[in-house]
Amino acid sequence: NAGVTQTPKFRILKIGQSMTLQCAQDMNHNYMYWYRQDPGMGLKLIYYSVGAGITDKGEVPNGYNVSRSTTEDFPLRLELAAPSQTSVYFCASTPRADGGNTIYFGEGSWLTVV
Amino acid sequence: AQKVTQAQTEISVVEKEDVTLDCVYETRDTTYYLFWYKQPPSGELVFLIRRNSFDEQNEISGRYSWNFQKSTSSFNFTITASQVVDSAVYFCALSEAPNYGGSQGNLIFGKGTKLSVKP
Repeated sequence: NAGVTQTPKFRILKIGQSMTLQCAQDMNHNYMYWYRQDPGMGLKLIYYSVGAGITDKGEVPNGYNVSRSTTEDFPLRLELAAPSQTSVYFCASTPRADGGNTIYFGEGSWLTVV
Repeated sequence: AQKVTQAQTEISVVEKEDVTLDCVYETRDTTYYLFWYKQPPSGELVFLIRRNSFDEQNEISGRYSWNFQKSTSSFNFTITASQVVDSAVYFCALSEAPNYGGSQGNLIFGKGTKLSVKP
């Protein structure tokens, strides 16, 4: 059981480039989330999904897009990368959103925009 | 609005000392969950504990203990006889019950407390 898998683990982007952070879970979880963690800060929610075909914005969605075509995959797209998007990105999933379930995190993706 | 405050930005202790990490939360919900996560230097998030709002019993797990007090909206974490391997950033987080147009079970994180345990 792989849990939540994020790729790539490290990436350097130039300003204006685009890329997709991949996130996949093999636990058949409905709820998936993308967070970013800036230095010295806690995690902030970028986007979330409550099931295939359904996504919604979190606290800091600007500059990002997501899609959820399958239950397993929840990619995060950065269009026109900016230095402000230098951060560590975490994908997470949980079977239900009632808070009583374990939330599984991926290992993180370190992104630097130069 | 939900909010988690970890007032201690950094704490430094010497090995074998006890240390308490503070967490204060704000929520209007009566049903909510509180979490502690550990983030070691390698960067991954390690789940430590989840506590629901109806269970104020303190919990002990080895050298770790948690004190949940609804009266003061606090969920503090104590490490007894700290070790160098405890050096990490510790995050307190809050999750509310999902509601239409609002919370969907996502975690609200505090800014974290960086704990350094020196030999």
